[in-house]
Amino acid sequence: GAGVSQSPSNKVTEKGKDVELRCDPISGHTALYWYRQSLGQGLEFLIYFQGNSAPDKSGLPSDRFSAERTGGSVSTLTIQRTQQEDSAVYLCASSLGRGPQHFGDGTRLSIL
Amino acid sequence: QQQVKQSPQSLIVQKGGIPIINCAYENTAFDYFPWYQQFPGKGPALLIAIRPDVSEKKEGRFTISFNKSAKQFSLHIMDSQPGDSATYFCAASKREYGHKLVFGAGTILRVKS
Repeated sequence: GAGVSQSPSNKVTEKGKDVELRCDPISGHTALYWYRQSLGQGLEFLIYFQGNSAPDKSGLPSDRFSAERTGGSVSTLTIQRTQQEDSAVYLCASSLGRGPQHFGDGTRLSIL
Repeated sequence: QQQVKQSPQSLIVQKGGIPIINCAYENTAFDYFPWYQQFPGKGPALLIAIRPDVSEKKEGRFTISFNKSAKQFSLHIMDSQPGDSATYFCAASKREYGHKLVFGAGTILRVKS
């Protein structure tokens, strides 16, 4: 399909481990966003990439969280030394410039 | 600080009814107000969006009403169907913020057949 693709769809890991979540945006989309959705909650902005500009990291909750976007396409969100409160669905969205954001189906992360 | 307040948390209507979901925002700099629909296990899908220069926008059975002075906007679903049962999120953003979205907490809608 031509939509936003995220992998893995589910991830279970032990507290203290590092995890990497991947996002493949829609081809040609210049902007990429990461959001977090905790159980029964709305979506919380994490980080935003637009073209070659410096990313907006204002939503990252701690320095254990980082993200990169290679070649202006695929993005990886990394969480180091995971904690139980990191359990959530991590959603990626992409857009063409400042156009509407299209979301992937997310990665459900569970920290034991 | 929650910048977009959404109500109700949940809503049950009969098929054919008109559920109404309300949102209020605080930041007067917001200039884009989308609504998203989310089914279990899926990502949010954009339904309809409005900018503050219009008071109403309709797309199919979905209508957004916007009240700039009250800093409120609402979603109306006409002739609701069981397939509309989902979680609905309102959101807001400011162009200068790169359109990063601030979301309401969501409304779980159930349409009974």
